[in-house]
Amino acid sequence: GAGVSQSPRYKVAKRGQDVALRCDPISGHVSLFWYQQALGQGPEFLTYFQNEAQLDKSGLPSDRFFAERPEGSVSTLKIQRTQQEDSAVYLCASSLGPGTKKSSYEQYFGPGTRLTVT
Amino acid sequence: GIQVEQSPPDLILQEGANSTLRCNFSDSVNNLQWFHQNPWGQLINLFYIPSGTKQNGRLSATTVATERYSLLYISSSQTTDSGVYFCAVSNSGYSTLTFGKGTMLLVSP
Repeated sequence: GAGVSQSPRYKVAKRGQDVALRCDPISGHVSLFWYQQALGQGPEFLTYFQNEAQLDKSGLPSDRFFAERPEGSVSTLKIQRTQQEDSAVYLCASSLGPGTKKSSYEQYFGPGTRLTVT
Repeated sequence: GIQVEQSPPDLILQEGANSTLRCNFSDSVNNLQWFHQNPWGQLINLFYIPSGTKQNGRLSATTVATERYSLLYISSSQTTDSGVYFCAVSNSGYSTLTFGKGTMLLVSP
């Protein structure tokens, strides 16, 4: 596809349920990022992958959050035992990745998954 | 970590007016992007501009990296320009972005 896609677009979970959010990056993009956006705020970094390697997970808010990208393309963000404070929009972004071109670092965002925990 | 401040927080314009949005950042950067978040939540890339000046139609942007600020100019604003404008910067090796709080723009007909 032409852009980053995410699914589902909307997810309602009962408190305590596990959820899985999917991201399909732009084809050929090495770098993949997950961000969390609370209402009225700017997105905040969660985790970063370079191919299949998770190189930075410093933004994950708790050990209930887990992300993977096993084959270096599609990524899944999993949240276990969801809590009300997890309600937010989860954004995925991709970029060409490390390289000699400056524009390799430009990130492109998907439409996001809006998670509501009731 | 790096701090990003955007101003003004809110802006109301009449259609056809011009505006300037500002982004100040606290450290040197290797990535700076401007985004427009439309009412459906999609972040649309406006400019990748860690330094220099770029123009795209009615929009232009300038980053003065040595003075740690960037400006986004919107000329002849249209109602479709409404939404939130975010500045995001990075000074990390992985280029993870730190976003400002955004400028909420409302253009009225």
